[in-house]
Amino acid sequence: QVHLVQSGAEVKKPGSSVKVSCKASGDTLINYGINWVRQAPGQGLEWMGGIIPIFGRTKYAQKFQGRVTISTDDSTRTTYMELSSLRSEDTAVYYCATEAVAGTNWFDPWGLGTLVTVSS
Amino acid sequence: SSELTQDPAVSVALGQTVRITCQGDSLRSYFASWYQQKPGQAPILVIYGQNTRPSGIPDRFSGSSSGNTASLTITGAQAEDAADYYCNSRDSSGNHVVFGGGTKLTVL
Repeated sequence: QVHLVQSGAEVKKPGSSVKVSCKASGDTLINYGINWVRQAPGQGLEWMGGIIPIFGRTKYAQKFQGRVTISTDDSTRTTYMELSSLRSEDTAVYYCATEAVAGTNWFDPWGLGTLVTVSS
Repeated sequence: SSELTQDPAVSVALGQTVRITCQGDSLRSYFASWYQQKPGQAPILVIYGQNTRPSGIPDRFSGSSSGNTASLTITGAQAEDAADYYCNSRDSSGNHVVFGGGTKLTVL
């Protein structure tokens, strides 16, 4: 079983950037993906993008293209999601989730989430 | 279309059967996965693939699909099944993931 541990809550100013980390432990997977999903207060789940670490290949939702960067450090099994040009609407809980077989959209398990608050 | 549509809210009497649906063009090509989310918690996967339950998910949860509609059925709903349920799938291109808007399930 894979276990994901995310970094702590952040408070950011509008226009700045935030970088959230997601460290995997447990079973070693090969052809897996790490995806990022966010949830604004009282709203639904929104896919932002994902990465297949073994290939370093990323995919981003069109809505976030140009503003989000997902990367991975294989040595520490840590995946990062950086979102730039923050605005108040980016206030949300950001989740990372394992896609055990890349390309299947089966997200399991999920991290506990990182609250990012954008406020002046 | 890359959208998945869910009913915002559904209710079911305790012990009865409820079906939660998810509609979208991409479901003609890709299976939906289903997630349960309780307040303040991360989502958990309850159904994936054609109709597979991850370890630990009760067998009262099942999934099915027909045409552009995927369904999550809870047979004999329990009080602890009250939650928000989300579907996801690939979009029509297969390159991106899309989520439905979620369905709030109330168990009466």
